[in-house]
Amino acid sequence: SQTIHQWPATLVQPVGSPLSLECTVEGTSNPNLYWYRQAAGRGLQLLFYSVGIGQISSEVPQNLSASRPQDRQFILSSKKLLLSDSGFYLCAWSGGTDGKNIQYFGAGTRLSVL
Amino acid sequence: EDQVTQSPEALRLQEGESSSLNCSYTVSGLRGLFWYRQDPGKGPEFLFTLYSAGEEKEKERLKATLTKKESFLHITAPKPEDSATYLCAVQDFQGAQKLVFGQGTRLTINP
Repeated sequence: SQTIHQWPATLVQPVGSPLSLECTVEGTSNPNLYWYRQAAGRGLQLLFYSVGIGQISSEVPQNLSASRPQDRQFILSSKKLLLSDSGFYLCAWSGGTDGKNIQYFGAGTRLSVL
Repeated sequence: EDQVTQSPEALRLQEGESSSLNCSYTVSGLRGLFWYRQDPGKGPEFLFTLYSAGEEKEKERLKATLTKKESFLHITAPKPEDSATYLCAVQDFQGAQKLVFGQGTRLTINP
């Protein structure tokens, strides 16, 4: 069965510091991968998605970037965090062989920028 | 641009009191409509996918229905453990299976 891992679960960072969040998927190959951000009490906003190694599409211009160095690894980064980068970050994958296009989510990372 | 609006924002029910959550959407071409459950501090958990108007899916006390403009999540005789935020999302035929989410309905079931 497929599983998705995200870490860390919680992160407190000062303004101006760098960021690296990692997401890995097990049990599948060539998945589509996604990064979302969820503000308090709000729905999910798609930040980046990737259909393959080195292929990144950005949905929202911002202070963040994403990379996919391996087939099942997706990384969210920032060189200098802003206060507005605080939020709940979620990684998801899709691409099961059933063709149902379902996205499955990780447990999330709570980021607080102070 | 695809849009999803969920109502109400929050709903409090007594245990056993049935109700429905609404998800209204506009989409260029509906590939699928998805319902997720999200518990506080956790990632969304997949519940249902609906693909065409008239389709219905059921799981325990939950039933999802779909029309050309909206979807309903009916909850029958809810229990306190059904308390969660329920998210609706749509997917169109463009792009790599991207989802556009509504803001969610926060459901609380009182014992």
